[in-house]
Amino acid sequence: EVQLVESGGALVQPGGSLRLSCAASGFTVSTYSMNWVRQAPGKGLEWISYISRKSSTISHADSVKGRITISRDDAKNSLFLQLSSLRAEDTAVYYCARGGLAVGGRVRGFDLWGQGTMVTVSS
Amino acid sequence: DTQMTQSPSTLSASVGDRITVSCRASQSISKWLAWYQQKPGKAPNLLIYQASILESGVPSRFSGSGSGTEFTLTISSLQPDDFATYYCQQYNNYSRAFGQGTKVEIK
Repeated sequence: EVQLVESGGALVQPGGSLRLSCAASGFTVSTYSMNWVRQAPGKGLEWISYISRKSSTISHADSVKGRITISRDDAKNSLFLQLSSLRAEDTAVYYCARGGLAVGGRVRGFDLWGQGTMVTVSS
Repeated sequence: DTQMTQSPSTLSASVGDRITVSCRASQSISKWLAWYQQKPGKAPNLLIYQASILESGVPSRFSGSGSGTEFTLTISSLQPDDFATYYCQQYNNYSRAFGQGTKVEIK
């Protein structure tokens, strides 16, 4: 089955850090760009991080810039997110999402999502 | 960074209605826009990409149009399964920003 499974969500104290993982199965993650998207309780989707194939391009949202590291391990078919100096406003469900490929190789949006992992920042 | 603005924030409609959701980009994104549907407690689902191309398996009552800075999602005849929140997203650059969402609710 083609799927993404996130893990690593937890209750974390303000100022702490967290590493999230996203395990891919049923496809080869090295073929795709990958992303992290989060959704605070009752709020909309917020894209936070992008990593291209071979990690040649990385981009982050301004809201997390300087506190975030995205990485991938194609040998393990996995994606990772390290977030530090956590704040209450980082409380959210964190999704990993695959950049789908259209004809010609251009991204066609996020065509595969995980089920999400919950991060709660609170003392 | 490119900002995405959707309207309306909430839309009340009945089964069988034709509805449209608008999305505006703060600068031209050509045709690099996607639409998603999200239901409570679930991950989003890709509906349309490149502004107007229907993702495989998505019903033909969904359609998208636009280019540059103005885009529209249309549902030609609203079905009970379509009551959900819809998001646009630009992917013209490496900042893949979403709009704030449009909740389609039962009138």
